[in-house]
Amino acid sequence: EAQVTQNPRYLITVTGKKLTVTCSQNMNHEYMSWYRQDPGLGLRQIYYSMNVEVTDKGDVPEGYKVSRKEKRNFPLILESPSPNQTSLYFCASSTLKGAYGYTFGSGTRLTVV
Amino acid sequence: AQTVTQSQPEMSVQEAETVTLSCTYDTSESNYYLFWYKQPPSRQMILVIRQEAYKQQNATENRFSVNFQKAAKSFSLKISDSQLGDTAMYFCAFMKGAGTASKLTFGTGTRLQVTL
Repeated sequence: EAQVTQNPRYLITVTGKKLTVTCSQNMNHEYMSWYRQDPGLGLRQIYYSMNVEVTDKGDVPEGYKVSRKEKRNFPLILESPSPNQTSLYFCASSTLKGAYGYTFGSGTRLTVV
Repeated sequence: AQTVTQSQPEMSVQEAETVTLSCTYDTSESNYYLFWYKQPPSRQMILVIRQEAYKQQNATENRFSVNFQKAAKSFSLKISDSQLGDTAMYFCAFMKGAGTASKLTFGTGTRLQVTL
């Protein structure tokens, strides 16, 4: 089954404790992206990657890092999480042309206390 | 920069009735794609329907159809014969169509409740 797999589904952590949210896709998609969803704000792009070793900032990159060492994986790293990073996070992937939109993962609900 | 506006934070419709969700966007691009995504309580993001800006014909997918007005920059979603399973948050989204995948810009969403 074609899918984007995110883990974990839920995560509660404390301020300052580094964490990684994993994302993997099995569709051989070149384009991958991370979004955060907040009430009243919709989804906003954090980072994206056009291919292996090619990443760039989205609209809200502060406090996040990403890497793309393999085509299928695109982890999101929070090196020192803060409470304002409490949010619902989505990983998504697409073909390079993007004409059919993204395939989304099932989301990670992150709470930073 | 592109913006997407959904002016109806919440809507309600009775089962079997028809409902229309509004979306307007602002862009200087001539080639782009528009999407409606559904997010049920499971929070999965599900593509409902897509429209290519250069196609004048409105897209349809079973009970879902769009009214695409390019000059007015409007992209509304019509759901016919509403079902309880249509209860969800609906997001309108825009993507530049330059031949390369790019950012999806989302609206703030419309929460739709289908009632008996």
